[in-house]
Amino acid sequence: DTGVSQDPRHKITKRGQNVTFRCDPISEHNRLYWYRQTLGQGPEFLTYFQNEAQLEKSRLLSDRFSAERPKGSFSTLEIQRTEQGDSAMYLCASSFLGAAGTQYFGPGTRLLVL
Amino acid sequence: DQQVKQNSPSLSVQEGRISILNCDYTNSMFDYFLWYKKYPAEGPTFLISISSIKDKNEDGRFTVFLNKSAKHLSLHIVPSQPGDSAVYFCAASANAGGTSYGKLTFGQGTILTVHP
Repeated sequence: DTGVSQDPRHKITKRGQNVTFRCDPISEHNRLYWYRQTLGQGPEFLTYFQNEAQLEKSRLLSDRFSAERPKGSFSTLEIQRTEQGDSAMYLCASSFLGAAGTQYFGPGTRLLVL
Repeated sequence: DQQVKQNSPSLSVQEGRISILNCDYTNSMFDYFLWYKKYPAEGPTFLISISSIKDKNEDGRFTVFLNKSAKHLSLHIVPSQPGDSAVYFCAASANAGGTSYGKLTFGQGTILTVHP
């Protein structure tokens, strides 16, 4: 399977704990995006990378959120001191620079903060 | 500020008929538009896209129409099938220069139900 993969698929944590999600993009894609989706809403942009460089961060991305893509391949999204409002589906997508704007999404990580 | 809006939360259609899903946008910088389909507990699946230099793009049963003056796009599914039942999102992107597209801005989604 050469699609976007995400791990874990589900995460339950207690408020105040730190969590980390991983995304592996389609191998030839040099852009990687993170989105968050809550019930009844469309995905909302969080941040994106071109290779190793983080090019844009949304105002939604508070100081408790950090994303990395150290070698320009997989990416991690960490949430520190989780809050109940962080409960959502976290989606990763990838695209190839130069191939218009089409992004291909992974299955998502469902986070529940108790 | 909701820059991409899908004003119909749900749509119910009989199998074999046409499904028409609508989307409006406000940001005139958007010049690339996409439709995604999403099943519960899965990520969005890309369906079809259109550049602002076109007003129509067709792929099998799916056709997207773009009306730039009205800032409106629609997705037509003909004929509709029960397997098309899902949430449909429209999304828009702005070209930052050359072929450099960045983030997608999504609408809230429309739940399509196709009855056998």
